[in-house]
Amino acid sequence: GAGVSQSPSNKVTEKGKDVELRCDPISGHTALYWYRQRLGQGLEFLIYFQGNSAPDKSGLPSDRFSAERTGESVSTLTIQRTQQEDSAVYLCASSLVASGGQDTQYFGPGTRLTVL
Amino acid sequence: QQQVKQSPQSLIVQKGGISIINCAYENTAFDYFPWYQQFPGKGPALLIAIRPDVSEKKEGRFTISFNKSAKQFSLHIMDSQPGDSATYFCAATIGAGYALNFGKGTSLLVTP
Repeated sequence: GAGVSQSPSNKVTEKGKDVELRCDPISGHTALYWYRQRLGQGLEFLIYFQGNSAPDKSGLPSDRFSAERTGESVSTLTIQRTQQEDSAVYLCASSLVASGGQDTQYFGPGTRLTVL
Repeated sequence: QQQVKQSPQSLIVQKGGISIINCAYENTAFDYFPWYQQFPGKGPALLIAIRPDVSEKKEGRFTISFNKSAKQFSLHIMDSQPGDSATYFCAATIGAGYALNFGKGTSLLVTP
């Protein structure tokens, strides 16, 4: 089946503009994660959705960042009033969260955001 | 703060050699330790993972060694091949349904 897909693959925006990044998880996966990968760095956790539970927003770096998820499908990460330090690759992952099992997170190809 | 520390930052190995990447963690609640492989322009892909109830796990040329008392784990790539050239990330988390805490990555280059 299809893997995690993300769009757009690249986004160039001007400082101060808002951007929306989209993630389509693997069908049937209840958990969805957003991570940020800055150049030469590891992945930083941003936000996590699991079923109908309240999302874990503990990784969001500022109130300019927000995310929504429609049921157990598409998620949108929104960055308002973008800053140059927001430039990064934004990665989405989904997982099945099988009880007692290994919770393998499957990653999409990412959206490369460049803020000029 | 970085919950998982990874070294080296970069590694060059000749074809056929052994590549070794090390990671250390502090949180003793971590109980799932995956390694991800990432090629340029792609998302990370799970390579191999281990739980702390075993000290070693092997899948083909890839082996994870785990030292619970030292809070360290490492990835060994035997008979390294040019196609193994990629960035490798170790990670740690608490069971299923939690965010992964990643190391900063190791850029591996396997020369012909």
